[in-house]
Amino acid sequence: SQKIEQNSEALNIQEGKTATLTCNYTNYSPAYLQWYRQDPGRGPVFLLLIRENEKEKRKERLKVTFDTTLKQSLFHITASQPADSATYLCALDDTGNTGKLIFGQGTTLQVKP
Amino acid sequence: SQTIHQWPATLVQPVGSPLSLECTVEGTSNPNLYWYRQAAGRGLQLLFYSVGIGQISSEVPQNLSASRPQDRQFILSSKKLLLSDSGFYLCAWSLGGDGEKLFFGSGTQLSVL
Repeated sequence: SQKIEQNSEALNIQEGKTATLTCNYTNYSPAYLQWYRQDPGRGPVFLLLIRENEKEKRKERLKVTFDTTLKQSLFHITASQPADSATYLCALDDTGNTGKLIFGQGTTLQVKP
Repeated sequence: SQTIHQWPATLVQPVGSPLSLECTVEGTSNPNLYWYRQAAGRGLQLLFYSVGIGQISSEVPQNLSASRPQDRQFILSSKKLLLSDSGFYLCAWSLGGDGEKLFFGSGTQLSVL
């Protein structure tokens, strides 16, 4: 069956360190993968998209990698800040070109000052 | 600029009562529209998506239905709510196509008692 898995355990790190979140998938062949941030009681907000032919994408302190062989994406936040504390969701397209995204369950990041 | 409105923010309903959640998008035409549900501590589950007026795809068999009576209006309904319908309901829109990101509404927290 198809699965998208993110670490369900919360990730606690110290301010200034790099946070690394993992998204693994099985039985999908996504053309792209997206990462979203969700704060409690709010809707998710888009952060980054990476396509299958891209190995790495950066945006300010954020970096995403995409390994289609390992079927894995890594999401990095460098120089983390308490304001980065949130739940981060990965999502990938189900059937391609439909805009229909399937989401992982998210990983909660807590950055301590 | 585009905006998405979703209401109400919270709703408490008895088992067996009907439901109607409304979502409207402004500032864009012919968007793809989505309803997601997020159970406590769980990921986003795609319920319905629509690529045009009157065109609804249901992703999971359930007690809910969706309608798109106008281009930028998406309605989620139920004739009789179940306890298992409780959750955080999110409406979203995208331009559709390859890799388009989703823009989410602020969500409705539904508690069925």
